[in-house]
Amino acid sequence: DAEITQSPRHKITETGRQVTLACHQTWNHNNMFWYRQDLGHGLRLIHYSYGVQDTNKGEVSDGYSVSRSNTEDLPLTLESAASSQTSVYFCASSGGQANQPQHFGDGTRLSIL
Amino acid sequence: DAKTTQPTSMDCAEGRAANLPCNHSTISGNEYVYWYRQIHSQGPQYIIHGLKNNETNEMASLIITEDRKSSTLILPHATLRDTAVYYCIVSYYGGATNKLIFGTGTLLAVQP
Repeated sequence: DAEITQSPRHKITETGRQVTLACHQTWNHNNMFWYRQDLGHGLRLIHYSYGVQDTNKGEVSDGYSVSRSNTEDLPLTLESAASSQTSVYFCASSGGQANQPQHFGDGTRLSIL
Repeated sequence: DAKTTQPTSMDCAEGRAANLPCNHSTISGNEYVYWYRQIHSQGPQYIIHGLKNNETNEMASLIITEDRKSSTLILPHATLRDTAVYYCIVSYYGGATNKLIFGTGTLLAVQP
């Protein structure tokens, strides 16, 4: 069955370090998304991509970057991790046709000390 | 994207129907209504979506009012495993645009 996987599931790192979270989907979806979830804020969109070589900023993109070199992967990079980026991160994907729902991964819990 | 208003929390007895309301009074003609749920510590799960007609699938039914300003998600026979946060989202779809803006949702607690 097609699926979307995130790795690692848990990570602890230090402020100032570069961190990359992986997202891999086997749905062959054009659209991919990264969200963060914090208490009291629900899920907030960080970056998204509508296809290879396409990336766009979401509502909370500062301090994050993504690249899309193939259909299956959209890694999220924190260039210099900050304690404010401690959060649970979710990746999602959806097909390019009208109204197809987003499918979410199980999340990465990131703690920055 | 239009904003939605949902109750913060609701209770439902196991085996009874759970009716979760959502107001989206500023929805525009090309915006769809989506419902997702999130069980503790898991990623959001798609439930159902619709434009103006009522929809039903194996998980739930979606009732949208004729003026499209509100909708109700119905879980016909709630079980303990349906305890989750339920998100009602309206989203424009044009071209490849299908961004979702999540609110804080409704915490549904199914009681035994």
